This record gives sequence, C-alpha cells and structure tokens, in this order.
Amino acid sequence: KQEVTQIPAALSVPEGENLVLNCSFTDSAIYNLQWFRQDPGKGLTSLLLIQSSQREQTSGRLNASLDKSSGRSTLYIAASQPGDSATYLCAVRGNTPLVFGKGTRLSVIA
Amino acid sequence: DAGVIQSPRHEVTEMGQEVTLRCKPISGHDYLFWYRQTMMRGLELLIYFNNNVPIDDSGMPEDRFSAKMPNASFSTLKIQPSEPRDSAVYFCASSLAAGGYEQYFGPGTRLTVT
Repeated sequence: KQEVTQIPAALSVPEGENLVLNCSFTDSAIYNLQWFRQDPGKGLTSLLLIQSSQREQTSGRLNASLDKSSGRSTLYIAASQPGDSATYLCAVRGNTPLVFGKGTRLSVIA
Repeated sequence: DAGVIQSPRHEVTEMGQEVTLRCKPISGHDYLFWYRQTMMRGLELLIYFNNNVPIDDSGMPEDRFSAKMPNASFSTLKIQPSEPRDSAVYFCASSLAAGGYEQYFGPGTRLTVT
C-alpha cells in the first residue's frame, strides 16, 4: 500500500528566503506526482504535475523534482513571499488514484 | 470552464439526519473522485467513478455512506444516518483520464454533525 510522507509538518521562514519541502513515497510504481497548495478553509490548487518519466517541472518561482527510484520529490520555492503562506500537499498517482501526504504548513514572515 | 462545482459549501446537521453532498465535474472529464479531509487522517479517497461507473469504493468508511453518478455531469455522496465523526471537509475532483492526467479539485463541503 502506497504511503506518502511529508517533512517537515510545519515551517516558518522570513520573507525572501529560498526553501525546500520534502515528500517521500514507498512504492516507486507511479504514473505521476502532483504538488498542491491549500489555503485555510479552501480547496486544493494544483501547482505542478511531474510525470514518472520526468525529473523536474518549473513554474515561476516553483521547481519540483522527482527521483522515482528513491521515492522522493522536493518542492523548491525561491524568494519566498508572505503570499506563499499555505499548506503544501504532495500526492502520488499509481494504479490507484491519488494518495496524499499530510502536508507541510508554511508560514512566510514579512 | 467553471471548474469543479460542489454544493453546499457548508452543511450543519444533527446526528441521525441524512446528508447529501453534490458535485458537478469539469465537462469532458471521465473520472470523478470523492475525498474526505480531517485533521487526524488528512485527505483520503472515498470512491471514484470512470464514465459514471463506480470503480473502487474501498475507501467508503461504512454502509452509511453511498455515492452515485447518474450522468456525466452530476454526482452525489450521501450519508445516512450521519454521526459526529463524519464531520470533515468533503472534496470532489475530476480528471480527463487515468494515469498521467492532472486532478482538479472543487472548493469542498464543510460538514458539521452535532
């Protein structure tokens, strides 16, 4: 059974810092990995989708990498801003639909 | 497209009452998913449909939960009778196909059972 773990559970950084969020999964037989953002009381917004054949994806200040063989992904946020404060969720899709991690709650302090 | 639409956004009900949550997927999407989110357990898949047919309902917690998809543009998740431990946020999501396609989520329904 696929299990997804995100470390750290919470993170607080000053504005302008670059940061890395980590995601690990136990079964490397995946189709893709998706990073989401969730604001308090809101739904999930898809940030990046990495197919199993890809190593990384970039969107603006965000860069996500995937190492399928080791069961790891990272989300890199450059020059963090207070507006980046949210919970970031990692999810993997294999033979079953998305399996989610518990998320990392990010606070960017102005 | 308006995205995935869910209603109601908030529902407060008393224990024992029937609750019906509704979802309209993105037009043209073949897959529809129902998830539940709690602080303790995070996001869990309850059931998913492909072309209106339930494929996997192993995540449905009990017989009190049922889901239907009568057509490609509408799905319901029903809880009867509801219990306080059902309090959670319920999300609906859809995707174009299986495998490598992105899932799009609705805004969720926050259910409180007193």
